[in-house]
Order: sequence, then C-alpha cells, then structure tokens
Amino acid sequence: KAGVTQTPRYLIKTRGQQVTLSCSPISGHRSVSWYQQTPGQGLQFLFEYFSETQRNKGNFPGRFSGRQFSNSRSEMNVSTLELGDSALYLCASSLRTPATDTQYFGPGTRLTVL
Amino acid sequence: AQSVAQPEDQVNVAEGNPLTVKCTYSVSGNPYLFWYVQYPNRGLQFLLKYITGDNLVKGSYGFEAEFNKSQTSFHLKKPSALVSDSALYFCAVNDDYKLSFGAGTTVTVRA
Repeated sequence: KAGVTQTPRYLIKTRGQQVTLSCSPISGHRSVSWYQQTPGQGLQFLFEYFSETQRNKGNFPGRFSGRQFSNSRSEMNVSTLELGDSALYLCASSLRTPATDTQYFGPGTRLTVL
Repeated sequence: AQSVAQPEDQVNVAEGNPLTVKCTYSVSGNPYLFWYVQYPNRGLQFLLKYITGDNLVKGSYGFEAEFNKSQTSFHLKKPSALVSDSALYFCAVNDDYKLSFGAGTTVTVRA
C-alpha cells in the first residue's frame, strides 16, 4: 500500500505571498491531519479534516486554512506569509475509527519564507 | 489537556548497548501513547503505541516500550542499539484525535 504523499517537497516563497500544500492519504484513510514542525516550537497540530469537514483546529491564526476533497486528499493554504511560517509541514492520515488509530505521516513539505 | 514530556534532549550510547528514551505523560482518563522516529529530512515513522493491555509493547525495528501507570511513564527501549538507530525520537499522546508531541530526543549511537 502506498504511503502518505505530499507535494511539493520543497518551496521557497517571499513574505506576503500565499502557498498551497497538498497531501494524499493512504488509500482508505479518510482523516487527514496537518502539523507544523519548527526548531523553536517543535511539532504543533494545525487542523484535522474528516469526511470533508474540519473536525479539529489548533492554535494558529486564520491565515492557515485547509480543505479536504471527496477523495480524501487535502490541501492546506497559508496566506500573507511571514518569516516565522518557515517550517516543515507534515500531514498524517488515519482511519480515525477507533479514536486510537495510528496516524501515518508523509515526508513533509519544507517551506522557506524569505 | 493531555501532554507528554521528554526529559532528555540527547541520548548517546555505544553500538550494542541498551538504548532507553524517556517519556512521561500527563493525561486525564486513559492514555493513548505513541512513539515515532524521524530521520533527517524525512517525515515521522510510527514505531509503536500503547492503548490498553500489556504494559510491554513491542514495535518495529526491535523497539519496545514499557507503560508504567504508577510512574506515568512510557519509555522506549531497544536491547542492542545500532548506528542506524541514530535519529530524533518523539513521544506523543492522542488528545481528542490530535497528537500532542514531546520536544523530541536526539539519539546518537556511536560505532
């Protein structure tokens, strides 16, 4: 079974621009979660989508948004980029049922904001 | 809120020696605990999880973890470390469908 895939793997943007990242979950997984990883803040939860609905949201500003499509693929968007948005963005997929189901992570998208 | 803590930023061991990476948790209710490993420029790889049942959980690549309710700990162990085990290890707790991670422990295994 193919794992979680994320595109692109690397991105360089400038302040004020916006960016869209994509995540394709493991086949059959309907839950997709997004995390931000930075050296200073570590791994932080952004949001989770299940059945095309946002189910959970972390403590991030409204510039961070996402969506999920009917095939469970998900995108996250960051508008008006700031230098502090430079990070590794990871997505993870799971069955979500049971609640203890394992989240499997993709390789991440490395975003650099200049 | 559920949380985990990894008290050691770094662990250094010689190849062939036992490896232990520490994790303590603070949860209300039943803890659902996970260990992940991250290699440079890679995503997180799942190692093992504790949901319920046996306190000793066996996982991938020869790793195991011991759940200790009285000490609120979930330490990751490997009896004989390999140089290839050098990586960043994260403990995590499932908090209402989202994972809350520890700060991570960098493991270096020297030949």
